[in-house]
Amino acid sequence: ELKVEQNPLFLSMQEGKNYTIYCNYSTTSDRLYWYRQDPGKSLESLFVLLSNGAVKQEGRLMASLDTKARLSTLHITAAVHDLSATYFCAVDGDSGAGSYQLTFGKGTKLSVIP
Amino acid sequence: EAGVTQSPTHLIKTRGQQATLRCSPISGHTSVYWYQQALGLGLQFLLWYDEGEERNRGNFPPRFSGRQFPNYSSELNVNALELEDSALYLCASSRRGQDLHFGNGTRLTVT
Repeated sequence: ELKVEQNPLFLSMQEGKNYTIYCNYSTTSDRLYWYRQDPGKSLESLFVLLSNGAVKQEGRLMASLDTKARLSTLHITAAVHDLSATYFCAVDGDSGAGSYQLTFGKGTKLSVIP
Repeated sequence: EAGVTQSPTHLIKTRGQQATLRCSPISGHTSVYWYQQALGLGLQFLLWYDEGEERNRGNFPPRFSGRQFPNYSSELNVNALELEDSALYLCASSRRGQDLHFGNGTRLTVT
């Protein structure tokens, strides 16, 4: 059974600081996703990482994937209040091209304090 | 382009009743996925429909069922509701091999 663990689950940080969210998964996978969820809202796709060593950046967020270590990181640079949200990583452990039977981590609730 | 739409937004049922949740995928998307986001349990894969057929289901009892219609919209039915079924149910759609798009969800409350 595929397990996905995120840490930390809660993160309170000051504006301007840097921090990293970690996502470990338990089985071989070549597709890892990062999503953002605002309270009461749906999931917004942030990054799709498809190969070992993949690195993607968008604004103050940068995601990387190490398939050998079964680890992905989401790095936040110089945090701003607008980044406050819950961040999920998800792994597709299955199931062939075109399927999205994702296993999600429990999420990291990020609060950026002015 | 209209996104994935789900209805109703909120649904309140009593234990033992049946709930029906609906999802319209993005135009051109043939795959529909259902996920449950329950407090304390996180997001869990429920069902996958593609081209009108159920392709796979997650670790949920048979009282969770659904179908996909010829226009690719989908329905999720939950029979014999239990208190633990209270959750946000998210529908997502995709084309084969393309990105996944989520709807805003249906919040089901079982009392």
